[in-house]
Amino acid sequence: GAVVSQHPSWVICKSGTSVKIECRSLDFQATTMFWYRQFPKQSLMLMATSNEGSKATYEQGVEKDKFLINHASLTLSTLTVTSAHPEDSSFYICSARDITDDYNEQFFGPGTRLTVL
Amino acid sequence: GQNIDQPTEMTATEGAIVQINCTYQTSGFNGLFWYQQHAGEAPTFLSYNVLDGLEEKGRFSSFLSRSKGYSYLLLKELQMKDSASYLCAVLDSNYQLIWGAGTKLIIKP
Repeated sequence: GAVVSQHPSWVICKSGTSVKIECRSLDFQATTMFWYRQFPKQSLMLMATSNEGSKATYEQGVEKDKFLINHASLTLSTLTVTSAHPEDSSFYICSARDITDDYNEQFFGPGTRLTVL
Repeated sequence: GQNIDQPTEMTATEGAIVQINCTYQTSGFNGLFWYQQHAGEAPTFLSYNVLDGLEEKGRFSSFLSRSKGYSYLLLKELQMKDSASYLCAVLDSNYQLIWGAGTKLIIKP
């Protein structure tokens, strides 16, 4: 089956620092990757849609200058949380869509838990 | 606007059957997904329906009625490990996934 990895699994950082999260599709090519954020006891919130080789499309209310997304290859997308603050502490999950998949299924990474002190 | 409704929480007994309903109003429809999410983990795929009817996969089945904007996930022979949140998501006309808020399923012995 399609496998998506995320790194790191968890990160603790000081307020004001930047954190980079990587999302990789390990055994398939993904022209489109999605970044979600999930606060405790809430559903997934789509932050942005990332297409390989082009700029990401951000959802309303998501600051594109704060959450930098790069999708440089068909197997890698990165999310950088710049100048992180405690309110950015959340569970960040990426998903990837297999370009050959007729079902348009999204395969999820295991998530990255970010804690900003 | 786009909207997906599912119950916030349900409780069931180990060994029993439970049905989790999902209704949707979206701009276009390209399929409906059910995902399972355990606390602190990412969602895992359970089922996909794009045509009306019932799809059975082991203990889990998913039903779709496009004319009614309705789906349900049926879980049989419940096990304690089935305690999780179940997320309904619809792929809209732009192939964007629209997510429900999830149904927290509590299994009691």
